[in-house]
Order: sequence, then C-alpha cells, then structure tokens
Amino acid sequence: KAGVTQTPRYLIKTRGQQVTLSCSPISGHRSVSWYQQTPGQGLQFLFEYFSETQRNKGNFPGRFSGRQFSNSRSEMNVSTLELGDSALYLCASSLEGGAGANVLTFGAGSRLTVL
Amino acid sequence: AQSVTQLGSHVSVSEGALVLLRCNYSSSVPPYLFWYVQYPNQGLQLLLKYTSAATLVKGINGFEAEFKKSETSFHLTKPSAHMSDAAEYFCAVSRGQAGTALIFGKGTTLSVSS
Repeated sequence: KAGVTQTPRYLIKTRGQQVTLSCSPISGHRSVSWYQQTPGQGLQFLFEYFSETQRNKGNFPGRFSGRQFSNSRSEMNVSTLELGDSALYLCASSLEGGAGANVLTFGAGSRLTVL
Repeated sequence: AQSVTQLGSHVSVSEGALVLLRCNYSSSVPPYLFWYVQYPNQGLQLLLKYTSAATLVKGINGFEAEFKKSETSFHLTKPSAHMSDAAEYFCAVSRGQAGTALIFGKGTTLSVSS
C-alpha cells in the first residue's frame, strides 16, 4: 500500500511569493493533517481536513490555508511568504482523524526555504 | 490544555547500552500518548502508542514505553542500542477525539557510538 506522498519535496521561494504544497493520503484515509516543523518551534499543528471540511485549526495567521478534495488529496497554501515560514511541512493521514486510536501516518515532508 | 516535555534535547549512548528517553505530559483528560521517530530528511514514523489499554506498550524495533499516571510520564526504553537507532525521537499527546491534533514535545536526538 502506498504511503503518504508529498510534493514537492524541496522548494525555494522569495519573500512575498506564495506557495502551494500537495499531499496525497494513504488510500482509504479520509483525514489529512498538516504540521509545520522548525528548529525553534518544533512541530506545530496547522490544520486538519476530513471529508473536504476543515475540522480543526492551529494558531497560525490567515496566510496559511488549506483545502481537501473529494479524493481526500489535500493542498496547503502560504501567501505573502516571510523568512520565518522556512520549515519542513509535514502532512499526515488517518482513517478518521482524532489522533487517538486512528494513528497518523506521516509523509516525508516538503522543505520550504524562503529567501 | 495538553503539553509534553521531553527531558534532554540530546542523549548519547554506546552501542549495546540501555536507551532511556524521557517524556512527561500534562493533560486534563485521559491522554493518548505516542512516540515517533524521525530519521534525517524523512517524515515521522510511529514507534508505539498508548490508548488506555496495557500500561506497558511494546513498539517496533525493540522499543517499549510505560505509562505511569502517578508520575505523568511515558518514558521510552530499549534494552540494547543499535547504531541504526540514531535519530530524533518525539513524544506526543492527544485527547483522541475526532479532529484533535497531536501535541508534540521538542524532541530528543539520540546518538549511538560504537
């Protein structure tokens, strides 16, 4: 069974630009969560989507947004990039979400560098 | 609110030695607890999880963790370290309800020397 696939794996942007990251969950998984990982702040929850609806959101500015499609694939978008947005963005999928008995399976991440 | 504290950002052991990575949690409700491992340039891989069944949880690669409610701890251990165990380890807590997020600790980097 294929794992969680994130594209692109690496990308470089400049301040002020926007970026879109993609995540394809494990087949049959309906929940997709996004996390930001930085050396200073560690792993922080961005948002979770289930059946095309945002079910939970972390404490990030409105520049960070996401969506989920009917096939459960998800995208996240960051507009007006800032240097501090440089991070590894991790996507995780699970059957029903809830981060409990339904275990999150993570992708390899998209490493964003903002210059 | 829930939180996780991992004691020691860096732990070094010799190959064959005991591995002990410490995790303390704070939760107002019975927690779900997890340990994940991250190898360089990779995502997180689940090692084990506690979901209120047995307090001693066995995971992959010989790791196990014990849930101690009185100490609010969920320390990760492995009897004998292997070079391939060198990685970053994250403890995480969740309320386990639909739509809730994992709250991660800051991580502990494990180094294994020969």
